[in-house]
Amino acid sequence: GQNIDQPTEMTATEGAIVQINCTYQTSGFNGLFWYQQHAGEAPTFLSYNVLDGLEEKGRFSSFLSRSKGYSYLLLKELQMKDSASYLCAPPNAGKSTFGDGTTLTVKP
Amino acid sequence: GAGVSQSPSNKVTEKGKDVELRCDPISGHTALYWYRQRLGQGLEFLIYFQGNSAPDKSGLPSDRFSAERTGESVSTLTIQRTQQEDSAVYLCASTRAPTAGTSYNEQFFGPGTRLTVL
Repeated sequence: GQNIDQPTEMTATEGAIVQINCTYQTSGFNGLFWYQQHAGEAPTFLSYNVLDGLEEKGRFSSFLSRSKGYSYLLLKELQMKDSASYLCAPPNAGKSTFGDGTTLTVKP
Repeated sequence: GAGVSQSPSNKVTEKGKDVELRCDPISGHTALYWYRQRLGQGLEFLIYFQGNSAPDKSGLPSDRFSAERTGESVSTLTIQRTQQEDSAVYLCASTRAPTAGTSYNEQFFGPGTRLTVL
């Protein structure tokens, strides 16, 4: 089975940096996905880490530690439009399980 | 360059009626997923198709729920004798088949069908 833990809510200020953590337990290791979901919209893909370490994509970076079952999403230079829910998901051939998501609120 | 589409976008029905939700995945995507998302909650896995077969139906909440996929394309999710607890957004997603060096691919989501059972 897969147990995924994320903080429920986070608040940060425009222009700041925020780190959203995800810990997971899985019977097999296949990396980790991050998705963004704005209120009232469908999730969209942000990143997929297969190897340990940090991968950077513009303002967003994602880190993975396979041995620790731990990942984080780092958002820099926060903008108001970054207010959304962020979901982590270990991939699986079959049943697909997402974390409940972290709702990030960016304040001016 | 169409993405995943779903219809209807909104459906209001009376308790006890049957509803059918449709998903058109991205052309060529072999895997298809259905999820349910209640207001303010996370994604709840319902069923997964690989081609036209459904190797994992473990997420279907009751025997009132069924799904099928034909031609490795369109999928329909049917809810019989709807209950108020079925009110939610139903999301469909599809993924490309794995290729050399890529075991897993990201899911592309449709806009969802918002179901309201009165």
